[in-house]
Formats: sequence, structure tokens, C-alpha cells
Amino acid sequence: SQTIHQWPATLVQPVGSPLSLECTVEGTSNPNLYWYRQAAGRGLQLLFYSVGIGQISSEVPQNLSASRPQDRQFILSSKKLLLSDSGFYLCAWRQQYGYTFGSGTRLTVV
Amino acid sequence: EDQVTQSPEALRLQEGESSSLNCSYTVSGLRGLFWYRQDPGKGPEFLFTLYSAGEEKEKERLKATLTKKESFLHITAPKPEDSATYLCAVMVRSGGSNYKLTFGKGTLLTVNP
Repeated sequence: SQTIHQWPATLVQPVGSPLSLECTVEGTSNPNLYWYRQAAGRGLQLLFYSVGIGQISSEVPQNLSASRPQDRQFILSSKKLLLSDSGFYLCAWRQQYGYTFGSGTRLTVV
Repeated sequence: EDQVTQSPEALRLQEGESSSLNCSYTVSGLRGLFWYRQDPGKGPEFLFTLYSAGEEKEKERLKATLTKKESFLHITAPKPEDSATYLCAVMVRSGGSNYKLTFGKGTLLTVNP
């Protein structure tokens, strides 16, 4: 079956620390993958998307980066977190009928 | 710039009280309009995709419709378990074979027993 996994579910990190969030999909090959952030009072904001290994497109300039080291793996990273990086991060995968989202990671930067 | 506006921001209904949520959009080259349901602390759950004006889709108490400028999510005789944030999103082509999904801010629906 086709599924998408995202971890961790929650994360509390100090300002200036690094970040690594991982997303993997199962049951498909060469998926289009996306990272979204959902901040309080705002809609889901597209951060990055990838159409294949090593191919990353950034939608907004920011303190974050993304990588696609394997076909079904998408990683969101930061070298030094800012308070403004706090939010709910969602990985998504585009399927024929629409987009499927992971369960999300609640990141709190303190 | 693609824009998606949802209204109202919040809606409180009594159980059994039908209503509609609105999603108006301004995009270049709509490839699809999506409705999602999101429960607190969880990822959005897919409900419907609409592709062309006049299209309608139904699922249990929910019915989605689409015109050239907006979409409605009609909720008939809602139950407390329908309480959630409902998100609307539009899909447009974003270079090559890729597509991009732009979301509205959502409507927080509360259904009281």
C-alpha cells in the first residue's frame, strides 16, 4: 500500500541548534514531494518541492533547506534555528487524485 | 499571484443545522481545486478534487461544488464529529511537469450537540 511517514511528531529545539526532519513514502517510485509549514493564523505555506533525487526547488527565501538523497526520502534541515522557524511542518506527496499529507511535525523553537 | 480566500474564518453550527463554506480563488490556469479536512495536530485529510466549473462531488454529509471563481462545501445536517478545520487549495502548473498547491487559511467549523 502507499503511505507517507513523517517524524518526529513533536520537537522542541533551542535557538541556534540544527534541525533535521525526515519524510519517506512507500509503495511508489519517483514521487513529487513537498514540504509545507503551517503557522498559527496562516494557511499552509509551500517551502520546498522535489520532482526527483537531488532536485530541489525553493518557494520562499528562509533559514531552511531541503534535500532528496533517495527517491522516496525528503529531508528538511536547518543549520541554526530561529524563533520564527516554529510551526507545524508537513510533508506531502502528489498522487493522481491529489496530495497526501503526512501526520506532521510540531516544531517549537525556544 | 495565485490567491485563495476562505470564508467564514470560523463557523459554529448546531447539530443538524446545514450550512456552506466558501472558497474564492484567483489563479492562472486552474488544474484542480481540493478540499481537505484537518483535525487539531494532524495532517490534512483529502476530501474532494474538482476540475471544472459545474462539477459536483459528494461524500456522506458533504457536497463540494465548483464555479469559475469559487467553490462551496455544503454540509448537510452536520454532526459534532464534523467539527474540524476545512481547507481549500488550488493546483496550478509550476514549471515542467510539476504542480503547485496553494492553500487558503481554512474555516474552523464547530458543530455543537
